[in-house]
Amino acid sequence: DGGITQSPKYLFRKEGQNVTLSCEQNLNHDAMYWYRQDPGQGLRLIYYSQIVNDFQKGDIAEGYSVSREKKESFPLTVTSAQKNPTAFYLCASSVDREGYEQYFGPGTRLTVT
Amino acid sequence: GQQVMQIPQYQHVQEGEDFTTYCNSSTTLSNIQWYKQRPGGHPVFLIQLVKSGEVKKQKRLTFQFGEAKKNSSLHITATQTTDVGTYFCAGGGKLIFGQGTELSVKP
Repeated sequence: DGGITQSPKYLFRKEGQNVTLSCEQNLNHDAMYWYRQDPGQGLRLIYYSQIVNDFQKGDIAEGYSVSREKKESFPLTVTSAQKNPTAFYLCASSVDREGYEQYFGPGTRLTVT
Repeated sequence: GQQVMQIPQYQHVQEGEDFTTYCNSSTTLSNIQWYKQRPGGHPVFLIQLVKSGEVKKQKRLTFQFGEAKKNSSLHITATQTTDVGTYFCAGGGKLIFGQGTELSVKP
């Protein structure tokens, strides 16, 4: 089955710790994205990548980092510098950056206490 | 920067009533996409509109793209409990998402 997976579904961390969220796709898509969703709010873009070994900051990149070493994988690290890390994180992919539908993973709900 | 505004934020309807959500952009959009997110789920693509004045239908759902390509709407006829969720519009080549409209349906 083709699709996009995220793990884990729920993640709990203590304040001050870095945490890495996994995102893998087997759709052969070039573009991948990370969004943050807070209750009652839309999707805010954290980072995106149009091609392997290249990525760009989105609207709320501060306190986050990413890598794109493989086409299939786009992990997101939430660093201790992120002031309000508790949120629902969604990874998505699309054939290309512009004009194509995005396929979303099931999301990771991160709770930092 | 480009913004996409969506209204209303919440809509509560009785089953069988109609529902409409509106999406407005500050600039002309090359396209508009609509997504649905069920409670506890992830957004799922519904449709993409590209042409000025375009209207597309999916069963009880009707999607419109304005003549000026700055606004769009999603209309659901005779809502059902299965329509519950948050509907997002997303516009432009770089896909700017609106804040979403959360629909609840009372049986």
